[in-house]
Amino acid sequence: AQSVTQLDSQVPVFEEAPVELRCNYSSSVSVYLFWYVQYPNQGLQLLLKYLSGSTLVKGINGFEAEFNKSQTSFHLRKPSVHISDTAEYFCAVSRGYGGATNKLIFGTGTLLAVQP
Amino acid sequence: NAGVTQTPKFQVLKTGQSMTLQCAQDMNHNSMYWYRQDPGMGLRLIYYSASEGTTDKGEVPNGYNVSRLNKREFSLRLESAAPSQTSVYFCASRDRANTEAFFGQGTRLTVV
Repeated sequence: AQSVTQLDSQVPVFEEAPVELRCNYSSSVSVYLFWYVQYPNQGLQLLLKYLSGSTLVKGINGFEAEFNKSQTSFHLRKPSVHISDTAEYFCAVSRGYGGATNKLIFGTGTLLAVQP
Repeated sequence: NAGVTQTPKFQVLKTGQSMTLQCAQDMNHNSMYWYRQDPGMGLRLIYYSASEGTTDKGEVPNGYNVSRLNKREFSLRLESAAPSQTSVYFCASRDRANTEAFFGQGTRLTVV
């Protein structure tokens, strides 16, 4: 079974500083990996996804993530954050092949708090 | 473009009451999911459905039942609500390739 660990429940950062949100996964098979963002009182929106190919994935709003198979990680980064990036960020994993539906499992989330 | 629609958006129940949360998607997706979101616990999978007519338990199925009525609709039922089921519930759908999931806006349920 797949699982996801987001070790940081909250990450405070100043505006225009870089940020990294950590995500580690556990799986015995190939995986698809996702980062979602949730703004207050809203649903989840996809930031980026890794399915296959290049290990560096670029998403919306200037975010990127790197898939590292040996370290089973998929950390999210942004070189310069804005106040508007304040939100909760979720990492998610599913098995990496089609056919029957695979469970989509989420981590516990990281609250990114951008301060002026 | 409606995407995934959940109803109701808010609900207050008394302990022991029953209710059904409705979810419909208009993207012709095969897979649908129900999650609950609680502070500090992220999104936990309650049930999911690979296709019309099939359902499977997720991480926290106890106290819930689901019905995949047709390809568009996937409902979640609480037969006898408990305060521990106070949460925000999200429905999601996903295509056959099992890539990106699309989420509804959530149902905020309070059981008193």
